[in-house]
Amino acid sequence: GAVVSQHPSWVICKSGTSVKIECRSLDFQATTMFWYRQFPKQSLMLMATSNEGSKATYEQGVEKDKFLINHASLTLSTLTVTSAHPEDSSFYICSAKSGRSSYNEQFFGPGTRLTVL
Amino acid sequence: QKEVEQDPGPLSVPEGAIVSLNCTYSNSAFQYFMWYRQYSRKGPELLMYTYSSGNKEDGRFTAQVDKSSKYISLFIRDSQPSDSATYLCAMSASGGGNKLTFGTGTQLKVEL
Repeated sequence: GAVVSQHPSWVICKSGTSVKIECRSLDFQATTMFWYRQFPKQSLMLMATSNEGSKATYEQGVEKDKFLINHASLTLSTLTVTSAHPEDSSFYICSAKSGRSSYNEQFFGPGTRLTVL
Repeated sequence: QKEVEQDPGPLSVPEGAIVSLNCTYSNSAFQYFMWYRQYSRKGPELLMYTYSSGNKEDGRFTAQVDKSSKYISLFIRDSQPSDSATYLCAMSASGGGNKLTFGTGTQLKVEL
């Protein structure tokens, strides 16, 4: 149980285009989902916290107009990278918070590798 | 200075060795400490979870937290080639289901 999926797993796009990444909790309802970014040999950096039915909370330094987050249902959150540029190339990972665990564990998706040409 | 410091490695050990992985941190508000394992091109998987100071053991894995020194450790006994992965420490002031601050990860390779 507690499986989180992401789609696509890998995407290549041209500079200036927008890319949408989906994060789904497959066997549980997630009121909260988190979006992280991971550059090579660096730690996961939290970008934003997404709560179902409300606006996402962005971390300092993350442009909310560039990284659009929608959490329309208890099993789906999307991250749209608008007008992507090469510096946005990274590994994007989502996690979903399950209320079933005694310590509110986050379950991570497999990640989406974005390459912007 | 980063909030969480972790030696990125790589760390190479022979099969059967005891592995010691460590993180230091600067934020005294951290109360929850986690170790995640991440295989290449995969998302992190929770290995150990500890609240406040102390030790916790689960099979071949032991997590230690020393809040007075702001130092946490993960020990892996009888290491196996399947343990080869990147190990990330993560910390939170308000629980594992809330904002996590990660270390950079230590790349471990267990050789036959």
